[in-house]
Amino acid sequence: GAVVSQHPSWVICKSGTSVKIECRSLDFQATTMFWYRQFPKQSLMLMATSNEGSKATYEQGVEKDKFLINHASLTLSTLTVTSAHPEDSSFYICSARAPPSGRNGFYNEQFFGPGTRLTVL
Amino acid sequence: GENVEQHPSTLSVQEGDSAVIKCTYSDSASNYFPWYKQELGKRPQLIIDIRSNVGEKKDQRIAVTLNKTAKHFSLHITETQPEDSAVYFCAASIQGAGNMLTFGGGTRLMVKP
Repeated sequence: GAVVSQHPSWVICKSGTSVKIECRSLDFQATTMFWYRQFPKQSLMLMATSNEGSKATYEQGVEKDKFLINHASLTLSTLTVTSAHPEDSSFYICSARAPPSGRNGFYNEQFFGPGTRLTVL
Repeated sequence: GENVEQHPSTLSVQEGDSAVIKCTYSDSASNYFPWYKQELGKRPQLIIDIRSNVGEKKDQRIAVTLNKTAKHFSLHITETQPEDSAVYFCAASIQGAGNMLTFGGGTRLMVKP
C-alpha cells in the first residue's frame, strides 16, 4: 500500500509555456501533499504544502503565481509551472502524507512520488 | 524554522565496512527523524525513522541513534554492500504540526567492492 504516482515522469517544453504535473495517492486519501524541487546533486527543497480544499502554503522565496498548486481532491494535487524558463528546469517530486488516524497503518509518514524531470529549452 | 545539517557530503567505504552519517537539527520541538535513500533519478525511499521518545532503533544492518540533548542523530550501516551505494538524506519534522520535512543536504555513499 501507500503508493504515490506522478505524471508525467519526464517533460521537455519550450520557454514561455506552462506545464502541469499531477500527483496522485493511489490507495489512500491524503489531505496534505508536499511539492519539492531537487537540483542535480542537491537536496530536496520544499516548495509548498498543498492542503485539500484550501490554498497552498508556499515556502519563502517560492513564487505562488508562477507555481500554481491545486489540491482539488483527497487523492490529487497538481503543480503548474507557468511561463516556464530554463532556470525552472529541475526534478519536481511530490509526497503525500498518510492520515494521522493511522487507519492505513502509516502514522504521518510521507510517501514520495517518482518525480517529474522538467527540461525547459 | 528548522535547519538540518548533514555530514559528510560524500562517503566512500570498502564493502563490508561500516558507514556512519551524522545530522544535527536546530528546532528542539522536532520529534520525528526519518532517513531516506535515493538512487539516481528515483524517488526517496524511507529506510528507517526514529521518534523522539526513543534513543536508538535498529533494523537488520541499519540503525539510527538520537541524542535529543545535543540535537543530533546518526545513521549506521553495517556490513555495507555495493547496493547500499546511493544518496542518503536525513530529515526532521514536528509530528502533528504540519509534518513538513526539513531535509539535510544529503550524503553520497559509495561502497567499493
